[in-house]
This record gives sequence, structure tokens and C-alpha cells, in this order.
Amino acid sequence: NAGVMQNPRHLVRRRGQEARLRCSPMKGHSHVYWYRQLPEEGLKFMVYLQKENIIDESGMPKERFSAEFPKEGPSILRIQQVVRGDSAAYFCASSSFELSSYNEQFFGPGTRLTVL
Amino acid sequence: DAKTTQPNSMESNEEEPVHLPCNHSTISGTDYIHWYRQLPSQGPEYVIHGLTSNVNNRMASLAIAEDRKSSTLILHRATLRDAAVYYCILRDTNAGKSTFGDGTTLTVKP
Repeated sequence: NAGVMQNPRHLVRRRGQEARLRCSPMKGHSHVYWYRQLPEEGLKFMVYLQKENIIDESGMPKERFSAEFPKEGPSILRIQQVVRGDSAAYFCASSSFELSSYNEQFFGPGTRLTVL
Repeated sequence: DAKTTQPNSMESNEEEPVHLPCNHSTISGTDYIHWYRQLPSQGPEYVIHGLTSNVNNRMASLAIAEDRKSSTLILHRATLRDAAVYYCILRDTNAGKSTFGDGTTLTVKP
């Protein structure tokens, strides 16, 4: 059973370009979470999605950032017009149950975005 | 979200037990306590979780104070591969997200 997959693992963009980060959850999981980790810091929650629905986007910047989790295919985190401050590791996690405090989230290996 | 407080760093010798503390004085009655760890250049890995009773699994033990305002992750015999940042997280019953603090960086000396 493959774990959470993220690609690309490393992404380099110039300022003003778009970055697309993909996350394939574990088989059977329909809940996806995106987190951002700046250098030397802990993970910060960005957005929580179920298939075709955004459940909680309280941690996502209002501008330039968007996320989707279509019925078919991976979840996509999209960053438009990237700036140097967007350089970070972006982690995706998935879970199989609905909102539950004892629910384990399985994390992917992350995508390391570097903005030149 | 209820906040957790952990020491920035701890050191241990290989083959010795390690006790990683976490304070969560504002924990609510329905918050579960989760522990994750993150090895360098990897995503977080689930370690253990609990509500009120102490918990054991193949990786570690979790000791929860009677008033639930603190907990301790116990690694019974530290190995070099246990060197990581350990995060103590509270997860509300109705929240899908996890709120990570700064964690404790564990160094294991041979």
C-alpha cells in the first residue's frame, strides 16, 4: 500500500511564476491536508479538503494561493506569482475518516519550493 | 486551538530511555494528545496518541497526567535513528487540522 505521494519533490521557480504542487493521498483516503514549513520552523496548517470540497482554508493566504481536490486525480496546491517568501517545504497529509480527534494523518515526503 | 509547550532541545545517550515532556494546560475535555516526529528532510511520522490513559505501542509509550495538563513521550531505548524533532499536538474533536508547535529537537549521542 503506497503512502502519500507528492510531486515534484523539489521545485524551483522565478519570482512571478506559478507553482503547482501535487498530492496523491493513500489509497482509500478521501481527506487531504496541506501544511507549510518555513526553514527552522514547525508546520503550519493551510487547508483541509475532501473530494471536491474545501472544508477549512483558515490557514491559507487569501491571495495567490488556491487548492483543489477533484473527484479524480491528485490534490493540487497552486501558488500564483510566487515571491521569495513562498520558499518553503509544503507537506500533504491524508486520512481516511471524517473529522475526528483520534484520526491519524499520514504525511507525504513534501515538496521543497525554492523561489529565485 | 489549545497550545502546547515543549523544550527546544534534549540530548540522550544511545540505548538509554528518553522522556520528552509536553505541557498543555489549556487542554479541553475532548482534545486528544498526538505525538509526531520529523526526521531531517522528511514529512512528519505518527508516533502515538492518547486521551486519558497511558498508551503503549511498538515505537513508544505515552504517559498522560491525571489532570491531562501535561504528557510525556517515552522512548525506552533511544537509537541514533530516533534523532528527530518531536511534536506534541492537541487535536480538537471537530478539527481536521493539526496545530504544530516548534517541537523538541532530540539529539542521540553514541
